[in-house]
Amino acid sequence: ELKVEQNPLFLSMQEGKNYTIYCNYSTTSDRLYWYRQDPGKSLESLFVLLSNGAVKQEGRLMASLDTKARLSTLHITAAVHDLSATYFCAVPGGTDKLIFGTGTRLQVFP
Amino acid sequence: AAGVIQSPRHLIKEKRETATLKCYPIPRHDTVYWYQQGPGQDPQFLISFYEKMQSDKGSIPDRFSAQQFSDYHSELNMSSLELGDSALYFCASSADSGGQETQYFGPGTRLLVL
Repeated sequence: ELKVEQNPLFLSMQEGKNYTIYCNYSTTSDRLYWYRQDPGKSLESLFVLLSNGAVKQEGRLMASLDTKARLSTLHITAAVHDLSATYFCAVPGGTDKLIFGTGTRLQVFP
Repeated sequence: AAGVIQSPRHLIKEKRETATLKCYPIPRHDTVYWYQQGPGQDPQFLISFYEKMQSDKGSIPDRFSAQQFSDYHSELNMSSLELGDSALYFCASSADSGGQETQYFGPGTRLLVL
């Protein structure tokens, strides 16, 4: 059974600092998704990583995928308050289903 | 750009009642997915449809059923509601099935069972 784990589960960081969120998954997959969710809101697609070594960047966020290590990272550069949210990675777990990670709740403070 | 539409946005029901949630996918998207997200939990896949046929199934209780109609909208029917069914229910859509396309999520329906 596919398991997707993220760490840390909670992250409180100061504005301007850098940090990395890790996503490990237990079975082979050649693609991985990152989503952002604000409290009580929908899931917003951030990145789709489609192959080993894929790297995508958008603003202060950069995601990468290592399919051999079954690891993806979401790197935050110079955090700002607007990045406060819960971040989920997700891996295809069947024909259509996405298996989501445990989520990382990020809080950025001044 | 048009997004996934879900209705209602909020729903309050009593135990043992029934509920119907509706989902209208992004135009030209032919695949619809349903997820359930409990408080503080990650989303859990329930069921998906491609071209009006069920294409994948997850941890959907037998009390729930769903279908996709000819206009590609989908409905999730929930019967004999239990307190534990209280959750956010998301519908997502994509342009294709088979996990090849990004799933775009709707705003969700918040269901509260009393």
